[in-house]
This record gives sequence, structure tokens and C-alpha cells, in this order.
Amino acid sequence: KAGVTQTPRYLIKTRGQQVTLSCSPISGHRSVSWYQQTPGQGLQFLFEYFSETQRNKGNFPGRFSGRQFSNSRSEMNVSTLELGDSALYLCASSLGLAGLEQFFGPGTRLTVL
Amino acid sequence: AQKITQTQPGMFVQEKEAVTLDCTYDTSDQSYGLFWYKQPSSGEMIFLIYQGSYDEQNATEGRYSLNFQKARKSANLVISASQLGDSAMYFCAMRESQQGAYGQNFVFGPGTRLSVLP
Repeated sequence: KAGVTQTPRYLIKTRGQQVTLSCSPISGHRSVSWYQQTPGQGLQFLFEYFSETQRNKGNFPGRFSGRQFSNSRSEMNVSTLELGDSALYLCASSLGLAGLEQFFGPGTRLTVL
Repeated sequence: AQKITQTQPGMFVQEKEAVTLDCTYDTSDQSYGLFWYKQPSSGEMIFLIYQGSYDEQNATEGRYSLNFQKARKSANLVISASQLGDSAMYFCAMRESQQGAYGQNFVFGPGTRLSVLP
């Protein structure tokens, strides 16, 4: 069974631009969660999608948004990029909201110049 | 307040020895789950072990075991017979219900960097 895939793996953008990251969950998994990882703040939960609906949201500004498609694939969008948005963005999938464990993708490393 | 505390920023262990990574948590939920993940330098998070709050037995997965002390809100990871490939960041995490919302929230600790010495 294929694992969680994230594209692109690396991305360089400049301040003010927007970016879209993609995540394909493990086949059969319906929940996708997104996390931001930085050296200063560690791993922080962004949001969770289940059956195309956002079920949960962390404490991030409205510039961070996402969506989930009917095939459970998810995209995350960050508008008006700031230098502080430079981070590793991890996507994780699980069977459902009550899933016992999450399986993580390799991450997208975003650098904002 | 920190929901997950990992008091050891860095640990060293000799190859083939056992090591314990500490984790304490804070929650008012009765039903919650505790996880340990490993993150090698490549960046990918690898699931190691899970303990449910109602599980009476400590979880074990191969060389990994979780020392669960519910009253102390402690969930330490024990790695037996350390290998060089165990060198990585280790994160303790908790799944708890999100207040006022349907779903779950994952909270991660700051991590412990384990270095296995030959």
C-alpha cells in the first residue's frame, strides 16, 4: 500500500506570494491533517479535513486555508507569504476522526525569501 | 500551558543499551491517546507506538515499549538494545477531543534528540 505523498517536496517563494501544497493520503484513509514544523515553535496543528469538511482548526491566521476533495486528496494554501511561514509542512492521514494513528508524508519544505 | 512536556532536549546512549525518553501530559479528557513518533534527519515522521487511556497493559512494539503511568500522567518511551539507526528526534504526542468541535486534536511535545554512540 502506498504511503502518504506530498508535492512538491521543496518550494522557494518570495514574500507576498501565495503557495499551494498537495497531499494524497493512504488509500482508504478519509482524514487528512496538516501541521507546520519550525525550529522555534515545533510541530503545530493547522487543520483537519474529513469527508471534504474542515473538522478542526489550529490557531493560525486566515491566510492559511485548505480543502479536501472527494477522493480525500487535500490541498493547503498560504496567501500573502511572510518570512515566518518558512517551515516544513507535514500532512498526515488516518482512517477516520477516531483513527488510532496518523501516517505522515515526507513533508514539503517551504522557504520564503 | 504546555500539554506535552519532554524535559530532555538531548540524550546520548551507547549502542546496544536501553534508553528511556520522558513524556508527561496534561489533559482533562477521560479518553485520549498517546503516541510516540520518530523523526530522522530526512524529516519524515514515523509512528512508533500507541497507548490508549483505557489500556491497562503497557504497549509494546518490538524494541519499543511505553511505560504508561496514568495517575502521574506519564508516558515514557523505552527503547531496548539501541541501534545506530535509532539516532533521531523523538516526539511524544497526544490525541484529545477538541472542545466544542467534532474531531480530534493532536498536540506534540518539543521532542528529544537521541544520539546513539558506537
